[in-house]
Amino acid sequence: DVKVTQSSRYLVKRTGEKVFLECVQDMDHENMFWYRQDPGLGLRLIYFSYDVKMKEKGDIPEGYSVSREKKERFSLILESASTNQTSMYLCASVGSTDEQYFGPGTRLTVT
Amino acid sequence: EDKVVQSPLSLVVHEGDTVTLNCSYEVTNFRSLLWYKQEKKAPTFLFMLTSSGIEKKSGRLSSILDKKELFSILNITATQTGDSAIYLCAHCNYNQGGKLIFGQGTELSVKP
Repeated sequence: DVKVTQSSRYLVKRTGEKVFLECVQDMDHENMFWYRQDPGLGLRLIYFSYDVKMKEKGDIPEGYSVSREKKERFSLILESASTNQTSMYLCASVGSTDEQYFGPGTRLTVT
Repeated sequence: EDKVVQSPLSLVVHEGDTVTLNCSYEVTNFRSLLWYKQEKKAPTFLFMLTSSGIEKKSGRLSSILDKKELFSILNITATQTGDSAIYLCAHCNYNQGGKLIFGQGTELSVKP
């Protein structure tokens, strides 16, 4: 079974803090994704990565950056957290089929 | 710009009812359409559809794709309270290996 794990289930941060969200997958998948999910808006793609050290902007990259130093790990960074970044963050990876495997999600609250 | 639209956005039914969830799409380079179920956690995969007219079935759930009319439906028969969830539809773009565009989701609530 593919396993995608995320570093925290719940996180509370203050405005202006730097926030790191970590995602690890154990199936040697090349493609990894970060989404945020908000009520009424569905899942929106923030960034994705096809390979180590490669990254592509998704639909809403503003205020975020990413890092992929190893194939199994894809990190999402909020350089200076703001209240409008309060959301559920979901990481996913995909292998040879189109099925994306999701991590359990991190519910981030920025106060 | 690729777009996926789901309807209705929310639905309340009683156990035993049959429901149909809709997903329409306007996309370039169609590759596949996926359905996910999300309870209070990460989405779990239900179906992947690539060809028109071929029904995919899993227990009480089934789904079909119409590539001419650009839509898909997800049917749930004899609903149970455990079917209460958000159902997500997503398109996979051929040229962006694995990138999914999601609809807003349909929130289904099944009452006893």
